[in-house]
Amino acid sequence: DAGVIQSPRHEVTEMGQEVTLRCKPISGHDYLFWYRQTMMRGLELLIYFNNNVPIDDSGMPEDRFSAKMPNASFSTLKIQPSEPRDSAVYFCASSKTGVWTNTEAFFGQGTRLTVV
Amino acid sequence: RKEVEQDPGPFNVPEGATVAFNCTYSNSASQSFFWYRQDCRKEPKLLMSVYSSGNEDGRFTAQLNRASQYISLLIRDSKLSDSATYLCVVKEEHGGSQGNLIFGKGTKLSVKP
Repeated sequence: DAGVIQSPRHEVTEMGQEVTLRCKPISGHDYLFWYRQTMMRGLELLIYFNNNVPIDDSGMPEDRFSAKMPNASFSTLKIQPSEPRDSAVYFCASSKTGVWTNTEAFFGQGTRLTVV
Repeated sequence: RKEVEQDPGPFNVPEGATVAFNCTYSNSASQSFFWYRQDCRKEPKLLMSVYSSGNEDGRFTAQLNRASQYISLLIRDSKLSDSATYLCVVKEEHGGSQGNLIFGKGTKLSVKP
């Protein structure tokens, strides 16, 4: 497996534009997480899905952010309209259910978003 | 709010030193614990899981104290390549947030020649 795949790797956009980040989790993983990382706030959970269903979106900053998981192999995080304070690295991660098996999360390489 | 707290550092140590990182978590129902490592401008990667009885992987030793809700990571004979940020991670296993991974903000380690 190629691991968690995110696209794009880098995105520079103007304030007010719509941004869509994409993620393909590892095949067979039933959990998918979206995180945002900044120097000031560290790694923050935005939302996570289990079997394509959103479980906890309390970390989504505001209505400008939305996330979908239409099937087990694809998820998107959308920001509309984008603002400079959204600039960060956005990570997608996936893991699988288990109690005794190794259930660590595997991260994608991240999308570095800059909003100017 | 469920929290995972770490000393942000930085810890600046010479090669060969022993260094220890600590982490506390607030949710007593948490069941699974991990240490992740993140290199500069890279994604976090699993370093090791933390088991109730404590566990060792080469120069790395992880300990868990459930009564105090405290996790530690010990690195012996530190190498230049150990320089990174170490993230403490707690996985929730019960309730509405089952499966959620909560990350600490990380402890930065810099190993000097």
